[in-house]
Amino acid sequence: DTAVSQTPKYLVTQMGNDKSIKCEQNLGHDTMYWYKQDSKKFLKIMFSYNNKELIINETVPNRFSPKSPDKAHLNLHINSLELGDSAVYFCASSQIQGRAQYFGPGTRLLVL
Amino acid sequence: DQQVKQNSPSLSVQEGRISILNCDYTNSMFDYFLWYKKYPAEGPTFLISISSIKDKNEDGRFTVFLNKSAKHLSLHIVPSQPGDSAVYFCAARVSGGGADGLTFGKGTHLIIQP
Repeated sequence: DTAVSQTPKYLVTQMGNDKSIKCEQNLGHDTMYWYKQDSKKFLKIMFSYNNKELIINETVPNRFSPKSPDKAHLNLHINSLELGDSAVYFCASSQIQGRAQYFGPGTRLLVL
Repeated sequence: DQQVKQNSPSLSVQEGRISILNCDYTNSMFDYFLWYKKYPAEGPTFLISISSIKDKNEDGRFTVFLNKSAKHLSLHIVPSQPGDSAVYFCAARVSGGGADGLTFGKGTHLIIQP
C-alpha cells in the first residue's frame, strides 16, 4: 500500500514532445507538490497545490503545468520538452497544516 | 545561492558507532527543519524534524539538534546500523513562504562499515 505513487517510473522521449507524469497519494493529505532533482542532485520545489491554491515557483517555465482532477492526484504536464528538462521529478504530499512532506519514488525523465 | 548547505558529501562510520551529519543554513526565516533519508532509485523518506522553538528532538536512534545562533543543525544516529547507509538530506522551510516547499541541501552519503 504505497502512500505516494508516480507513473511512469522512467520516461524517455524526444525534444519537442509533450508528456505527463501522474501522481497519486492515499494519505488523505490536502497539499501536494512537485520537485525536480537536477544533475547536481539538488531537489527544488516546482509547485505546491491544495484544493484552494496553486503556488508556482517563479523559476519554473510555463511549459510545466500541474493538473489536479481531485485531492488525491496532482499530475504534471510538460509541453515542448527540452534537453534541460532531463531530471528526476518527485511528487510529494503533506497535511495542510502539517510539516513533513512524503515523497513518491520519482520519475526519471530523459529528453533526447 | 545555497540556503541549506551540507558540506560533507560523504561520511564513513563503523557499525555500532555514532553517525553525526551536519547542516548549515543561511536564511534566518527558516522555522522548521527536517531530515530525509534516500536510497538509490527511491524517493526521500522523512526521518525526523524540529521546530525552530526547540533545540533538540529525539526519535529512537535519531536525534536532531538545532543551534539557531549558529544556524546549524545536526543529525545523530546511534548506534549506526548497516541499513542506515544512504544519502541524508537536510531540509528547511519558511512557514507560509513561497510555494510552501522545502529547501534542500545537496545531501551527505553515509556509509556504515561492518
